Amino acid sequence: SQQGEEDPQALSIQEGENATMNCSYKTSINNLQWYRQNSGRGLVHLILIRSNEREKHSGRLRVTLDTSKKSSSLLITASRAADTASYFCATVASGGSYIPTFGRGTSLIVHP
Amino acid sequence: DGGITQSPKYLFRKEGQNVTLSCEQNLNHDAMYWYRQDPGQGLRLIYYSQIVNDFQKGDIAEGYSVSREKKESFPLTVTSAQKNPTAFYLCASSITRGAYEKLFFGSGTQLSVL
Repeated sequence: SQQGEEDPQALSIQEGENATMNCSYKTSINNLQWYRQNSGRGLVHLILIRSNEREKHSGRLRVTLDTSKKSSSLLITASRAADTASYFCATVASGGSYIPTFGRGTSLIVHP
Repeated sequence: DGGITQSPKYLFRKEGQNVTLSCEQNLNHDAMYWYRQDPGQGLRLIYYSQIVNDFQKGDIAEGYSVSREKKESFPLTVTSAQKNPTAFYLCASSITRGAYEKLFFGSGTQLSVL
């Protein structure tokens, strides 16, 4: 099954800096979703971007999608210690199963 | 508050034992899912259900069973046939079946083998 792959696997930054995570995938998608997971907890949906969209914003989050390169990026601006978590991209294939398939995630640590 | 409730938070299984993980939602969602998460790994789909009394196997269904007798409930049984059950199990739901939508997750159950 299709799976997005996040890069980097781990990211450590200082509070106030921006954090950028990338996701690459292999086949055509209907949409791509980003989720956040705090340690030992469930996932929380952040943003869904459809294949005909190039950029979406939500608060301090900015997601871009480049279908020609089969990649997406998640930018967190002015990061806070509370942003420390794992971030997952999930792809939904076009014309196939509607169920999101998850990558392995990026572990983000924001130092106060 | 509307949401998905998973219980218990921690569960221990003895050799040869079946254990059942509970998942209840009061969001009135049609579709429900079970994922398995191993350390440092992504989520892998075990089973999903689009409607009451119907469910489908995911990528790693062997050693697991489910039922969907009520819209609100989607319990997962980890059978003795699952030889490596230690993992974090996540239940999720989405509003409608067959639609390209986001998932809502419960807080998870950590299953360990004694």
